[in-house]
Amino acid sequence: DADVTQTPRNRITKTGKRIMLECSQTKGHDRMYWYRQDPGLGLRLIYYSFDVKDINKGEISDGYSVSRQAQAKFSLSLESAIPNQTALYFCATSGDSGTGQETQYFGPGTRLLVL
Amino acid sequence: RKEVEQDPGPFNVPEGATVAFNCTYSNSASQSFFWYRQDCRKEPKLLMSVYSSGNEDGRFTAQLNRASQYISLLIRDSKLSDSATYLCVVNIYGAGNMLTFGGGTRLMVKP
Repeated sequence: DADVTQTPRNRITKTGKRIMLECSQTKGHDRMYWYRQDPGLGLRLIYYSFDVKDINKGEISDGYSVSRQAQAKFSLSLESAIPNQTALYFCATSGDSGTGQETQYFGPGTRLLVL
Repeated sequence: RKEVEQDPGPFNVPEGATVAFNCTYSNSASQSFFWYRQDCRKEPKLLMSVYSSGNEDGRFTAQLNRASQYISLLIRDSKLSDSATYLCVVNIYGAGNMLTFGGGTRLMVKP
């Protein structure tokens, strides 16, 4: 089984709708992240969480919110979806050795289309 | 200016060729450096970390030049399976494990 799972894998929604993307991990990591990927722009950080009680905004948090329900679960919500939120969304996890060399492990991604 | 810049490519090379990618980063406080590989429509996966002394993993060699703020990846004896997008990634000192990703360089290896 995959260490990092995301649901749904694909989603089509309409402008103004609220949607939630979910992420679960079995790696036992404290740190979890949400990114979006747009062609040519690389991955950009939306939100991150270093433990259940720690939530931080990333580079592009406007229009998004998150919830860390447990160490293993981190969900991303679009309160009122708009077309420019059409993108590929990745969840990731990492450990914390304090060296800055930790690998981030990514989920398979969620393709979101907002009409 | 982007914090991490890469030539998007595509680099089209024949099997067996040697190909090199460069990446430049703008923040001199960048502490750790990585190359991630991303296959089409898949998630990124760590290919290798990049150390100051340079490091090699099989056919892959990574180099870091702190003075010029660039990172390179050399692939020798290219295989069809090397076709992918290669993401240059940096971790800025004091930012925990916050990674900044380049836009990626696409490699296509042809028979």
